[in-house]
Amino acid sequence: SQTIHQWPATLVQPVGSPLSLECTVEGTSNPNLYWYRQAAGRGLQLLFYSVGIGQISSEVPQNLSASRPQDRQFILSSKKLLLSDSGFYLCAWSARQPNTGELFFGEGSRLTVL
Amino acid sequence: QQPVQSPQAVILREGEDAVINCSSSKALYSVHWYRQKHGEAPVFLMILLKGGEQKGHEKISASFNEKKQQSSLYLTASQLSYSGTYFCGTEYPSGTYKYIFGTGTRLKVLA
Repeated sequence: SQTIHQWPATLVQPVGSPLSLECTVEGTSNPNLYWYRQAAGRGLQLLFYSVGIGQISSEVPQNLSASRPQDRQFILSSKKLLLSDSGFYLCAWSARQPNTGELFFGEGSRLTVL
Repeated sequence: QQPVQSPQAVILREGEDAVINCSSSKALYSVHWYRQKHGEAPVFLMILLKGGEQKGHEKISASFNEKKQQSSLYLTASQLSYSGTYFCGTEYPSGTYKYIFGTGTRLKVLA
């Protein structure tokens, strides 16, 4: 069966510090991968998605970046965090075929920037 | 532009019914519904692939009207466990794998 792992679960970082969140998927190959951010009490904002190794589509031009070094690994990074980067970050995957569009989420990473 | 959901929030008593709507300004080819409990990741509820087709999950069902670019989620005889935030989701545009969610509806069921 397929599983998705996301870490760290919780982190508190000072403004201006770097960030790295990692997500890996097991039990499937060639998944579509996604990063979402959810501010407190708000909706799910799509940050990045990837349909293959090295292929990243960005939805937010801010200070975040994403990379997909391996088929089932997706990394979210920042060189300098802003206060507005605080939130609940969710990694998700979906199957390429069949493309039902159903997303499977990791447990999330809660980031607090102070 | 993300799909817009209505209402933004609703409070029910156990056993009452509720309808959550999802409207898009762009053509929809499929719609998914998710429920998110506080502090947790969203969980998939159902998928609607054809216009007018209804899919059910326990006492939760949904409809999808391609022509109106709308989907509705029907919660019948609500239970305490139905509390959470409901999101519609869709590939936007179709075939791109770009997946976005609606604005969300917070549902609270009271005993």
